[in-house]
Amino acid sequence: DSGVTQTPKHLITATGQRVTLRCSPRSGDLSVYWYQQSLDQGLQFLIQYYNGEERAKGNILERFSAQQFPDLHSELNLSSLELGDSALYFCASSVAAATYEQYFGPGTRLTVT
Amino acid sequence: SQQGEEDPQALSIQEGENATMNCSYKTSINNLQWYRQNSGRGLVHLILIRSNEREKHSGRLRVTLDTSKKSSSLLITASRAADTASYFCATASGSARQLTFGSGTQLTVLP
Repeated sequence: DSGVTQTPKHLITATGQRVTLRCSPRSGDLSVYWYQQSLDQGLQFLIQYYNGEERAKGNILERFSAQQFPDLHSELNLSSLELGDSALYFCASSVAAATYEQYFGPGTRLTVT
Repeated sequence: SQQGEEDPQALSIQEGENATMNCSYKTSINNLQWYRQNSGRGLVHLILIRSNEREKHSGRLRVTLDTSKKSSSLLITASRAADTASYFCATASGSARQLTFGSGTQLTVLP
């Protein structure tokens, strides 16, 4: 158990819908990262927050957004969902903003039908 | 985009044998990390090697790094069935704070 929690574990929704994925980092970790894992794209970095502020952006679509709240939990919002958005979405946390080892949550499996 | 290419894509060995996985990357790095992922689950950090290190050990794991060749290898000695998983290398470079993952090696250890 990494100490990172993600909810929900599974999500099935229809195209065009909007969903919110939630992540709670390890106790004491200020940095939260979101990754997408799909069969065709592999593991891709989406976005990073550190102590409430956005720090780095990767291959995140404009339909996707995220935020980190004062209690350090983070939410990833996915809107106007398409079939290709079906993937595993992982949250990871680390102590600092710089890249040290990251601790991954169990992931949310999103299926868009 | 993925920075690393891992070789082989899949590896099947008998319990007790050693498993070696290789990773190549494209840009200069600050450090390189190896992660394990059991099927459909989250990634588990295994080991981190900094760019000024050449070799590192952790239990049954041995990692080497050759920055001149932009490559790394992960050796798992005396493998066990529980080592069956996908193994990913990930690089951190420059001011980037995110990890860039390789394509992964699927290791199967047969009992």
